[in-house]
Amino acid sequence: DQQVKQNSPSLSVQEGRISILNCDYTNSMFDYFLWYKKYPAEGPTFLISISSIKDKNEDGRFTVFLNKSAKHLSLHIVPSQPGDSAVYFCAASDITGANSKLTFGKGITLSVRP
Amino acid sequence: EAEVAQSPRYKITEKSQAVAFWCDPISGHATLYWYRQILGQGPELLVQFQDESVVDDSQLPKDRFSAERLKGVDSTLKIQPAELGDSAMYLCASSFGTGTYGYTFGSGTRLTVV
Repeated sequence: DQQVKQNSPSLSVQEGRISILNCDYTNSMFDYFLWYKKYPAEGPTFLISISSIKDKNEDGRFTVFLNKSAKHLSLHIVPSQPGDSAVYFCAASDITGANSKLTFGKGITLSVRP
Repeated sequence: EAEVAQSPRYKITEKSQAVAFWCDPISGHATLYWYRQILGQGPELLVQFQDESVVDDSQLPKDRFSAERLKGVDSTLKIQPAELGDSAMYLCASSFGTGTYGYTFGSGTRLTVV
């Protein structure tokens, strides 16, 4: 049973346009959400996060939106750049618990075309 | 910038052989995690340490996998005997405490079992 779902395996976007990456979750205990970027043969690198008490968090070109009632979050990248081409993972955590493990989705491969 | 160090970066081993991976977390990070990422999937937690104690090893296949963090600093993950299905990226991460603050991944060890 996948608790974090990234249903679109890939996304292709033109350079300069907006990339929207979606993520859904089923576990209502999740209260902290993170996005990671991963290049082949490297570990995931942290991009941006959001707590469940917020509905938006922005950091430069990256904005994460959270809709708690729909159990849905999205990552917006504006403008998209070729260097953004990578696999993006959505992850969730129950930070109020003693176990701070992250539950990941399967990832979305973003390709930004020059 | 502080990093989580992992070695080796790549490992090829024959089925039924033993293999070990090493991780050195960021200095001062009390919590250490081992994740496994199978190609096309998101990382999944194998084991979590708080200092030298295991917090969660519910997803660790204990018949063949073992993990230790004897002095509460660096850690070793061992597989004996290796099976073809163990081929994956093994990722180590560390965080400051039990929450997600400072959660950082290493570059991983790519294991291929032949």
